[in-house]
Amino acid sequence: DTEVTQTPKHLVMGMTNKKSLKCEQHMGHRAMYWYKQKAKKPPELMFVYSYEKLSINESVPSRFSPECPNSSLLNLHLHALQPEDSALYLCASSQSPSGSYNEQFFGPGTRLTVL
Amino acid sequence: DAKTTQPPSMDCAEGRAANLPCNHSTISGNEYVYWYRQIHSQGPQYIIHGLKNNETNEMASLIITEDRKSSTLILPHATLRDTAVYYCIVRAAYNNNDMRFGAGTRLTVKP
Repeated sequence: DTEVTQTPKHLVMGMTNKKSLKCEQHMGHRAMYWYKQKAKKPPELMFVYSYEKLSINESVPSRFSPECPNSSLLNLHLHALQPEDSALYLCASSQSPSGSYNEQFFGPGTRLTVL
Repeated sequence: DAKTTQPPSMDCAEGRAANLPCNHSTISGNEYVYWYRQIHSQGPQYIIHGLKNNETNEMASLIITEDRKSSTLILPHATLRDTAVYYCIVRAAYNNNDMRFGAGTRLTVKP
């Protein structure tokens, strides 16, 4: 199994809703990532988990709350989002947080629309 | 900020080689050059990476200049399915967290 899966594929939510995005990989990778991608822009790194511990938070607002329950799963909990948070949210994983052969494998993304 | 500069767009005829340039004049000795591509509405896909030697795999070749200040990704026989945004990324080997995507090059392969 060499893929990263993300659910749901699409999500529409109101500004008062609470929702979660889910990411899963079964490649034994020990580093997992969340990226945000606005339309026609490159992906921007949000969070990095190394060995299930949060190692990087790129000054992301607290309305985004990541969670890594185990080495295969990564969640992104969403609460009180704004319309400008509408974007494609990408999850990725790599074998470890460092090393020269650590290409990242990306999932297909969750397209989020905040009304 | 991204450490690379790429042309915003390029066209290529189907079946011909696509040569995508990337400038990384501030690259340091322990930094690798990575290439990813993103086909419309999909997640980015790893293509190839290198440190200073030229590299080749089943998808592409990577040519890095001797001074390492620039590189070229070569798709030897472009197909319509290679139409995508191609990202050149420079990052240190010890720090996979430092994946900064630049604006990339939008490659359009035409019949």
